Amino acid sequence: DAGVTQSPTHLIKTRGQQVTLRCSPKSGHDTVSWYQQALGQGPQFIFQYYEEEERQRGNFPDRFSGHQFPNYSSELNVNALLLGDSALYLCASSWDEGDEDEQFFGPGTRLTVL
Amino acid sequence: AQTVTQSQPEMSVQEAETVTLSCTYDTSESDYYLFWYKQPPSRQMILVIRQEAYKQQNATENRFSVNFQKAAKSFSLKISDSQLGDAAMYFCAYWGYSGAGSYQLTFGKGTKLSVIP
Repeated sequence: DAGVTQSPTHLIKTRGQQVTLRCSPKSGHDTVSWYQQALGQGPQFIFQYYEEEERQRGNFPDRFSGHQFPNYSSELNVNALLLGDSALYLCASSWDEGDEDEQFFGPGTRLTVL
Repeated sequence: AQTVTQSQPEMSVQEAETVTLSCTYDTSESDYYLFWYKQPPSRQMILVIRQEAYKQQNATENRFSVNFQKAAKSFSLKISDSQLGDAAMYFCAYWGYSGAGSYQLTFGKGTKLSVIP
């Protein structure tokens, strides 16, 4: 049973560019959440997708947007990159009909903005 | 807004000994969940243990157990018989209502645990 997968593993961008990160949820899961983890900090909730719509959002600017596809996979897009966007981006999946609080995490994408 | 505080940035324990990691949280809700996650250098966030707030009995998973004090809003993790593989960052996390019809997972800043052979 494949767990949560994310791509790419690492990414280097320059300020002002745009980036897309991808996530495939664990088999049987229909809900995807994204988190930003700055160096030395705990993860911070960006947003959650369910039924191809953004259901909840944390305190992040509109430069952060996402998408969920019919197969439940998801993308995180960040526009106009800032140096402060450098972080580990984690994707977590869960099953809406189950214990929604029980989220399974992927290995993350390390984004470096130069 | 809910907050989670881990007051110990770093801890160390001798192999085979017991260590306790501290966590406090702030919420006005009565129904919520609390978690301890482990993040080794591989970066994969792994769920260690889970506690439902309405259950008074403390959760236990093999060598891992919690001391959940709801009134004090305290949720500590005890690791018994520590092993080298326990070395990692440990994050305490709260899941519950965060306002405006939203539920979310809120993490503390983490405690780095070192295990000394």
